[in-house]
Formats: sequence, structure tokens, C-alpha cells
Amino acid sequence: QKEVEQDPGPLSVPEGAIVSLNCTYSNSAFQYFMWYRQYSRKGPELLMYTYSSGNKEDGRFTAQVDKSSKYISLFIRDSQPSDSATYLCAMRALFYNQGGKLIFGQGTELSVKP
Amino acid sequence: DARVTQTPRDKVTEMGQEVTMRCQPILGHNTVFWYRQTMMQGLELLAYFRNRAPLDDSGMPKDRFSAEMPDATLATLKIQPSEPRDSAVYFCASALFSTDTQYFGPGTRLTVL
Repeated sequence: QKEVEQDPGPLSVPEGAIVSLNCTYSNSAFQYFMWYRQYSRKGPELLMYTYSSGNKEDGRFTAQVDKSSKYISLFIRDSQPSDSATYLCAMRALFYNQGGKLIFGQGTELSVKP
Repeated sequence: DARVTQTPRDKVTEMGQEVTMRCQPILGHNTVFWYRQTMMQGLELLAYFRNRAPLDDSGMPKDRFSAEMPDATLATLKIQPSEPRDSAVYFCASALFSTDTQYFGPGTRLTVL
């Protein structure tokens, strides 16, 4: 079983829809949680990161972490065709030498139709 | 606009050939990561350098892969000999320090026939 599980999709939604992307993890040492966005033929770019349980909002994006359930989510409100990309969750423990390397989910491919 | 650059962007080669991929990290970043991305495995860490010294290459097949940083502006990943199962997109990322935000390059898409 992988340390981080993410449904690869693909996920197709109409423009304006609310999108929910999710990851589950098994390692309770994970403390930092990130969402990366990857456009076709590009490298991943950091979208949001959070340390604690709860919600963090940035414009149309909300990252949610539930450490008790080992579950993280990314919500996209009023989705736009430009949001079409692959979204990867990533997480790590506190320090690199304590197993703190970044572990990525498989990525969920999202398509927002005009 | 500082960014990580990688060359070549695409490489098609035959099984058994040597492949060299290059990465120029963002100026001032002292931490460099090499990742491999496939449909099956997703994004996997191959190796990690800090101040040009390799700190973790546990994700790399040792018999055929090697990673080096000849200087602070160049990181290389070599595969010799290459095999079809090495076909993937290889990304380089750099960061100010190991737990800082990683900035990814555009990747090298490798196809081994």
C-alpha cells in the first residue's frame, strides 16, 4: 500500500462547478501538506501548503487537512477552463533527516469544460 | 523570472545507449532534487543534493543511474545502459533548503526503444 493515495481521475466538470480533490495517507509523521498543479508538458508548481489541521483559503482555492482521519482535500470554487491540469497532493514529515522527503500522490487529472 | 531549466526537453534513444540529462537550478538554491514521473508510479524521488553533495540517492537504481553536481549551476543525471523501463519524464527541482518550496523544471521526456 502506498503512503499517499490519490484518485487519478480523470475528473471532468462544467465551468463554474465546485471541484473537490482528495488524498488519504497512512504515515502519521506527515506534518506538512501541499498541493501542486501540473499543466501538460510542464513541471509541478506549488499551489498551496498547510501545516496544521483545518482550512486554508487562497482566492478560489481552499486546502483542508484532517489529521485525525489522515485525509486532505483541495476545493476549487467557480472552476475555470484554465484550472484544467493535474493536481498532485504532497506531504512530508517535519525534518528531511527524519523521513522528511516529499511524498507525492498519483495526481488527479481535472478537465473544466466551458 | 528565475526558473529551473532542463535539457534536453525530449530524448528518444535505443536500449543500451547512454543518456545524460542536465539541470540548471535557480541561482542561489543549494538543494537539488531529481524525480521521475510515470503513469504507474507517479512522481518518485531519485536523488537529492545539498551544497553539491549527494545526501540521498536511495530511490535510484545504482547499477545504471548516476547523479552528480559538477558545480553549483549544473546537475546531471546519467543512465548507462538505458532500458525501455526507464522511459519516463525526469524532473529536476531546486530549493533554498531541503524543507523549502521546491521549484520544478519543465522535465526531460525520455523514451527508450
